[in-house]
Amino acid sequence: GAGVSQTPSNKVTEKGKYVELRCDPISGHTALYWYRQSLGQGPEFLIYFQGTGAADDSGLPNDRFFAVRPEGSVSTLKIQRTERGDSAVYLCASSLAPDGRLEAFFGQGTRLTVV
Amino acid sequence: AQTVTQSQPEMSVQEAETVTLSCTYDTSESDYYLFWYKQPPSRQMILVIRQEAYKQQNATENRFSVNFQKAAKSFSLKISDSQLGDAAMYFCAYPYYGGATNKLIFGTGTLLAVQP
Repeated sequence: GAGVSQTPSNKVTEKGKYVELRCDPISGHTALYWYRQSLGQGPEFLIYFQGTGAADDSGLPNDRFFAVRPEGSVSTLKIQRTERGDSAVYLCASSLAPDGRLEAFFGQGTRLTVV
Repeated sequence: AQTVTQSQPEMSVQEAETVTLSCTYDTSESDYYLFWYKQPPSRQMILVIRQEAYKQQNATENRFSVNFQKAAKSFSLKISDSQLGDAAMYFCAYPYYGGATNKLIFGTGTLLAVQP
């Protein structure tokens, strides 16, 4: 695709429910990243994929958060038993290769609101 | 650990004037990169400019330039001839990569308002 696509754009869910957030990276980009941005803060790293594998998931806050990238392209961030503190904008980014010097291209994010 | 600090939560500039956004960082590395990202209300982060630490020359991209002071670990962004479309959140970021990890460490951002 022309850019990184994230769906849905906005998601409202009830506390305790399960949600899935989808990210379609730029075609051919092998590296994919998820970040979480709370109100008034900078994005915080969650997880980094190189190909199909999660190379670094040290930013996932707890075991309610999980992400997959089964075919090395689309990725899904899954949150179980959502809590009000999970409310934030979840940003996805991709880059051509796993090289921090390369530009990471971001999607427009999914704003998750837990009520 | 690498950290990035932006001490100006908000800034304002008149259209056509110049504004400077501040950023300091901490790292034990000698060779690294630094980025400035812009986040408009659409939420999509856009790379504005990047600096390579081993280059003494400050990076420039059209109206955007940086003042990179390696010894002071300072990396400020200067926007010249400010335009209404420059209004956005600006984030300074340090790319941390090596071994199994590859991620951006962001500051808390500066909200820039441009007054007509």
